[in-house]
Amino acid sequence: EVQLVESGGGLIQPGGSLRLSCAASGFTVSSNFMSWVRQAPGKGLEWVSVLYSGGSTYYADSVKGRFTISRDNSKNTLYLQMNSLRAEDTAVYYCARQAFNWNYHWGQGTLVTVSS
Amino acid sequence: EIVLTQSPATLSLSPGERATLSCRASQSISTYLAWYQQKPGQAPRLLIYDASNRATGIPARFSGSGSGTDFTLTISSLEPEDFAVYYCQQRSNWPRTFGQGTKVEIK
Repeated sequence: EVQLVESGGGLIQPGGSLRLSCAASGFTVSSNFMSWVRQAPGKGLEWVSVLYSGGSTYYADSVKGRFTISRDNSKNTLYLQMNSLRAEDTAVYYCARQAFNWNYHWGQGTLVTVSS
Repeated sequence: EIVLTQSPATLSLSPGERATLSCRASQSISTYLAWYQQKPGQAPRLLIYDASNRATGIPARFSGSGSGTDFTLTISSLEPEDFAVYYCQQRSNWPRTFGQGTKVEIK
């Protein structure tokens, strides 16, 4: 059974850094396309980043240069390193495994709150 | 950036009725469009991919159509569990973008 469990969210001051983790089971992260999608409180979905099995990465303009997506094959875990955090980064962050080139399996999300 | 505009913002219907949701792209995206359902407090669920293909386990009452710039998600007969927010997403261009969502609520 495919499972994705995000962790690492919390309250962080503006300008701070946070690393989100997405522990996967039931499949191999390195062989799949993996994404991060976020949702600000009461708002819609926003695509954040994708990491392809070959290593290519893409980012939303709103996070480019501040966020980095990566994986640890030995831990079968996806990461999102978030630097220079802003209030507008406050959101629930979901990781997702792609199938058919779409976000098919989703984690339960982890809440990041950027506030002083 | 491709903008996806969903309409209506809210759809008020009764169980058993037909729901028709629209997603319009700011430029042609071929059939590179998906639909997701999200219920309160839950992660989104993939319903339809590549405009018209149902994801595994999705009931046949859900169907998708369209190509180019105009797409439709149809729920043929609403079940109580279908009242939720629906989002479309494109994967034609970077960055990937979502529509703002359509809430299907009980009338």
